[in-house]
Amino acid sequence: QSVLTQPPSVSGAPGQRVTISCTGSTSNIGAGYDVHWYQQLPGTAPKLLIYLNTNRPPGVPDRFSGSKSGTSASLAISGLQAEDEGDYYCQSHDTSVSGEVFGGGTKLTVL
Amino acid sequence: QVQLHQWGTGLLKPSETLSLTCAVYGGPFNAYHWTWIRQSPGKGLEWIGDINHRGSRSYNPSVRGRITISVDTSENQVSLTLTSVTAADTAVYYCASSRFFFEYWGQGTLVSVSS
Repeated sequence: QSVLTQPPSVSGAPGQRVTISCTGSTSNIGAGYDVHWYQQLPGTAPKLLIYLNTNRPPGVPDRFSGSKSGTSASLAISGLQAEDEGDYYCQSHDTSVSGEVFGGGTKLTVL
Repeated sequence: QVQLHQWGTGLLKPSETLSLTCAVYGGPFNAYHWTWIRQSPGKGLEWIGDINHRGSRSYNPSVRGRITISVDTSENQVSLTLTSVTAADTAVYYCASSRFFFEYWGQGTLVSVSS
């Protein structure tokens, strides 16, 4: 069981908007630690998608956006494309582990 | 552009020692912490530990006592040693750069533990 909780799966049609939630606690997100998001396409290493809650690395389309509030964070993907299919993970720092923790991952299916 | 290339033994028997190395190219080695993350088959990501260029380390309690991460600043390399492996240690192991988030990743190394 992961420290950060994500829905196992989400889906949407091309062009639609989906959101993926990441729920933590007072020992991680709620303690003020930043949230970061990764995209993992089949057979590849994870790729940084959003860092420090809302920031996109160079090359990441502005269709991807992040937010954080209280003990939770969200990743929104608008204008869904077939190439967005894959797994998405949130990550933050946790004081009980004294290290980094991930969500269990969310599988995005583009219908 | 920072690039990470990793290598190591892919097939182990229970009780043996896992050993992986990650070489860092094209970036300021001292600007990052260097992290090992693993992903069990069909499962999510697990941070197992990190180190900075000065040798300051943090380890996940789930592997503490069995894990050693070391750094060779002359070669810009980071190494992972995990002793007394079991089938539960079967995973793809990734090295990654860290500044609170994991910006650059190695290609991953599949390590299988089987008798």
